Amino acid sequence: RKEVEQDPGPFNVPEGATVAFNCTYSNSASQSFFWYRQDCRKEPKLLMSVYSSGNEDGRFTAQLNRASQYISLLIRDSKLSDSATYLCVVNPSGGYNKLIFGAGTRLAVHP
Amino acid sequence: EAQVTQNPRYLITVTGKKLTVTCSQNMNHEYMSWYRQDPGLGLRQIYYSMNVEVTDKGDVPEGYKVSRKEKRNFPLILESPSPNQTSLYFCASSSTGGYTDTQYFGPGTRLTVL
Repeated sequence: RKEVEQDPGPFNVPEGATVAFNCTYSNSASQSFFWYRQDCRKEPKLLMSVYSSGNEDGRFTAQLNRASQYISLLIRDSKLSDSATYLCVVNPSGGYNKLIFGAGTRLAVHP
Repeated sequence: EAQVTQNPRYLITVTGKKLTVTCSQNMNHEYMSWYRQDPGLGLRQIYYSMNVEVTDKGDVPEGYKVSRKEKRNFPLILESPSPNQTSLYFCASSSTGGYTDTQYFGPGTRLTVL
């Protein structure tokens, strides 16, 4: 079983749609959680950290469910510029900054 | 501008020919790391360094070497590249290596080994 699993997609949605991605992780002791965005084989960039209480940044909302070991990302009012691959990332150890990446979920927003 | 740079960005080489991919950061970060990315797999850590002269293996270190002689540089060395090392490589850095630190990634090096 992979440490971090994501639906690879692609998710094809029209502009303005709401789309949600889920991710599951296997290590129950994992300490920190992130969503990164990666455009077409460019470098990953941090989209947002994910906190137990849930957090929102504009059109993006991230949630963490420790009991079920899953993380979600909700994108509201999708824009063409949101087209990218979204990487679910977990730090399993709480020690140094080792990141375990999911394979990513591809999102394509069309007019 | 704060950044992580990698060179070369693209490289085609042949089996067995030693190569080095350079990585440099200008943010005075203590922690640096190398990842490889392959289709259908997430980024996987190759090596990391908590500070100068301190390096350790990640999840897929076989066939790679690193060194950290200066804080800003963290080169990745392939002594005898093989075709299964064809991949997209990313260098990353963060301030202290703490588990909440943001990691900043370089632009990537696309390596093909024939």
